[in-house]
Amino acid sequence: DARVTQTPRHKVTEMGQEVTMRCQPILGHNTVFWYRQTMMQGLELLAYFRNRAPLDDSGMPKDRFSAEMPDATLATLKIQPSEPRDSAVYFCASGRSGGVGQETQYFGPGTRLLVL
Amino acid sequence: AQKVTQAQTEISVVEKEDVTLDCVYETRDTTYYLFWYKQPPSGELVFLIRRNSFDEQNEISGRYSWNFQKSTSSFNFTITASQVVDSAVYFCALSEAGGGADGLTFGKGTHLIIQP
Repeated sequence: DARVTQTPRHKVTEMGQEVTMRCQPILGHNTVFWYRQTMMQGLELLAYFRNRAPLDDSGMPKDRFSAEMPDATLATLKIQPSEPRDSAVYFCASGRSGGVGQETQYFGPGTRLLVL
Repeated sequence: AQKVTQAQTEISVVEKEDVTLDCVYETRDTTYYLFWYKQPPSGELVFLIRRNSFDEQNEISGRYSWNFQKSTSSFNFTITASQVVDSAVYFCALSEAGGGADGLTFGKGTHLIIQP
């Protein structure tokens, strides 16, 4: 049963610290998405990659957030420096574009981040 | 710009009742995809269904059914004979291009409570 995995599942940190979240997409999926879920804003798209190339990061605060995909099996989302308003659940999702019926996004379990 | 509206913030019904969750969307594209996801109390996002804009046939999967009407830009979700395990937050989502290979725009979600 293929699944998207995310680490860590929970992270508590202090304001100003660097936070790195990792995602392993489903094998064979060529598109990776990062979403953030908060009570106020709901689910928002932060950035996404296709075939490891960044396609859109317009939803991401550029000054402190960065997303990379060092290889096909790993995507990272980094916050430096973190702020209390970054507290949220961060979801990674993967999908496979390029064919009919293959575009559904499957979500990982999320990283619950609390910045004190 | 695309938009998804789930006007029902919370619905509470007694077990075995039928319940319909509403979803209204806005898009300028003629090709788009609609999705429903379930988020149980454990927090993960579970894919339920994907429907493209050219397929208006209603779909039934067990106790779940979906009614897609382009004329009213709606994609409603009905649970028949609800069960306590159906208690969750349900999200409707829209993708304008690539069938989910591009980012999803989510509604705010409907919190469904099934009382025993």
